[in-house]
Amino acid sequence: DVVLTQTPPTLSATIGQSVSISCRSSQSLLHSNGNTYLHWLLQRPGQSPQLLIYLVSRLESGVPNRFSGSGSGTDFTLKISGVEAEDLGVYYCVQGTHAPWTFGGGTKLELK
Amino acid sequence: QVKLLQSGAALVKPGASVKMSCKASGYTFTDYWVSWVKQSHGKSLEWIGEIYPNSGATNFNEKFKGKATLTVDKSTSTAYMELSRLTSEDSAIYYCTRGDYWGQGVMVTVSS
Repeated sequence: DVVLTQTPPTLSATIGQSVSISCRSSQSLLHSNGNTYLHWLLQRPGQSPQLLIYLVSRLESGVPNRFSGSGSGTDFTLKISGVEAEDLGVYYCVQGTHAPWTFGGGTKLELK
Repeated sequence: QVKLLQSGAALVKPGASVKMSCKASGYTFTDYWVSWVKQSHGKSLEWIGEIYPNSGATNFNEKFKGKATLTVDKSTSTAYMELSRLTSEDSAIYYCTRGDYWGQGVMVTVSS
């Protein structure tokens, strides 16, 4: 199975600070059809995960544009440009290029 | 709007089975795969498998073959997952998801 390694495991930030989360894959996530099925989720405390970004860099409807995704192949990054209080929670990367889907271990974003 | 409404929490005895539901609304149920995801306490996410309501076709994570059975009822737009031969390792929250939308989760506790 594809292993997704997220760093850092914990991220402390102040409101307004910009932060980045890395997700590295054990193999390329470029599918033979040309798509890269790497997505980002946020799970707020006590809630279900919600989709933030799909196909590396596409912002899900309703998600603030302070969130952005980038990367290719095996290295991907989620950036939050100006953290807000509602952004706190655990971020997961997830890949759907290779069966089975697999998830990163998560990055917990907390207030400094 | 799209909603996935899951059944309530379950307390089950070791060795027993549990069946949970995921009722979809706000979209054409037969057009989208429905996946099931496991989240053990305080841990990351594991993909169990998926079902295509239109045909009943399924794909499974090898780890959950023989453990999970996925079915649908197209007449009620409801997906089901049954977990068999339960052990303490099956205690977790289980989510159904369309990928972009997630249910609220079902907490399953396996205890005598």
